[in-house]
Amino acid sequence: KQEVTQIPAALSVPEGENLVLNCSFTDSAIYNLQWFRQDPGKGLTSLLLIQSSQREQTSGRLNASLDKSSGRSTLYIAASQPGDSATYLCAVKETSGSRLTFGEGTQLTVNP
Amino acid sequence: NAGVTQTPKFQVLKTGQSMTLQCAQDMNHNSMYWYRQDPGMGLRLIYYSASEGTTDKGEVPNGYNVSRLNKREFSLRLESAAPSQTSVYFCASRLQGPDTQYFGPGTRLTVL
Repeated sequence: KQEVTQIPAALSVPEGENLVLNCSFTDSAIYNLQWFRQDPGKGLTSLLLIQSSQREQTSGRLNASLDKSSGRSTLYIAASQPGDSATYLCAVKETSGSRLTFGEGTQLTVNP
Repeated sequence: NAGVTQTPKFQVLKTGQSMTLQCAQDMNHNSMYWYRQDPGMGLRLIYYSASEGTTDKGEVPNGYNVSRLNKREFSLRLESAAPSQTSVYFCASRLQGPDTQYFGPGTRLTVL
């Protein structure tokens, strides 16, 4: 059974710092991996989706990498801002027709 | 374009009561999903509907039923609510092809 783990569970940083969030998964035979953002009391918003054949995806200050062989993905946030404060979740999909398996998320606080 | 909408936003039930959570999307998406989110457990799939007229069990279907009323609407019913069903429920939808799921704002359910 696929398991997804995110470390750390919570992270607090000063504004302007570059930071890395980690996601690991137990079964490397994945179809794709997604990073989501969840604001308090709100639903999830997709940030980046990496197909299994890709190594990374970028959107603005966000960069997500994927290393299937080691079962790891990282989300890099450059020049963090207080507006980046949220919970970040990663989710993997094992085949094109399968469901998403989510990690528990990393709660990020960026202090002004 | 409202995206994915859910009603109600909050609900308190007594053990044994029944209720239906409503979800609608206006993006002409084929697939729709119901998740629950619990502390320490992450998001878990309850049921999904790959297309209008079809529904399938997810990871935690016991105690729930669903109806894909039409392409827009996917409802989740609790026939006899239990305290273990206290959770935040999210509906999501996805267009066939692009893999990103779009989430609603959630329903916060408490069963006393």
